[in-house]
Amino acid sequence: AQKITQTQPGMFVQEKEAVTLDCTYDTSDPSYGLFWYKQPSSGEMIFLIYQGSYDQQNATEGRYSLNFQKARKSANLVISASQLGDSAMYFCAMRDTDTGRRALTFGSGTRLQVQP
Amino acid sequence: DAGVTQSPTHLIKTRGQQVTLRCSPKSGHDTVSWYQQALGQGPQFIFQYYEEEERQRGNFPDRFSGHQFPNYSSELNVNALLLGDSALYLCGSGMGTDTQYFGPGTRLTVL
Repeated sequence: AQKITQTQPGMFVQEKEAVTLDCTYDTSDPSYGLFWYKQPSSGEMIFLIYQGSYDQQNATEGRYSLNFQKARKSANLVISASQLGDSAMYFCAMRDTDTGRRALTFGSGTRLQVQP
Repeated sequence: DAGVTQSPTHLIKTRGQQVTLRCSPKSGHDTVSWYQQALGQGPQFIFQYYEEEERQRGNFPDRFSGHQFPNYSSELNVNALLLGDSALYLCGSGMGTDTQYFGPGTRLTVL
């Protein structure tokens, strides 16, 4: 069975600084995908970034980058130059096999608060 | 490009009642998944529909059922509502190797 672990219930960061949100995973499937989502207080789950298990390079999307360490089974999210609008819950998720037709397993989330 | 849409936004029901939630997938997507997110927790997978059939199911009782229509839209039905069914219900859509995108959710309150 797949499992996602997010050990940081809450994080604080100063505006304009970088922050790393931790995520470790467990799966026996050699092919999988890792996701990060942002959930503001409104509730909508917003896709941020995706990393496939066979991707050679770490994924980047604007201010978001995914620090993928396959041997350690970690997929940390790095947000550079934090903004006040980044305050939200952040969820790490994975799905087995690299197909959109598979369920996602989510972690328990990290609440990020950006301070001015 | 239309994203994932869900209706209604909010819903209040009483114990024992039945509820139907609706979802239209993102344009071009043919697979719909439903998730339940209790307060303070991560989303839990309920089931997934593809080609009008339930393809995967999470650890949810038979009170939770669904349907997918030929236009790929989907419904989630919950019978005999319990207080513990109060949650945010998220609909996600995907296709092939595409990323799963989510709608704004339906917040269900059971009194």
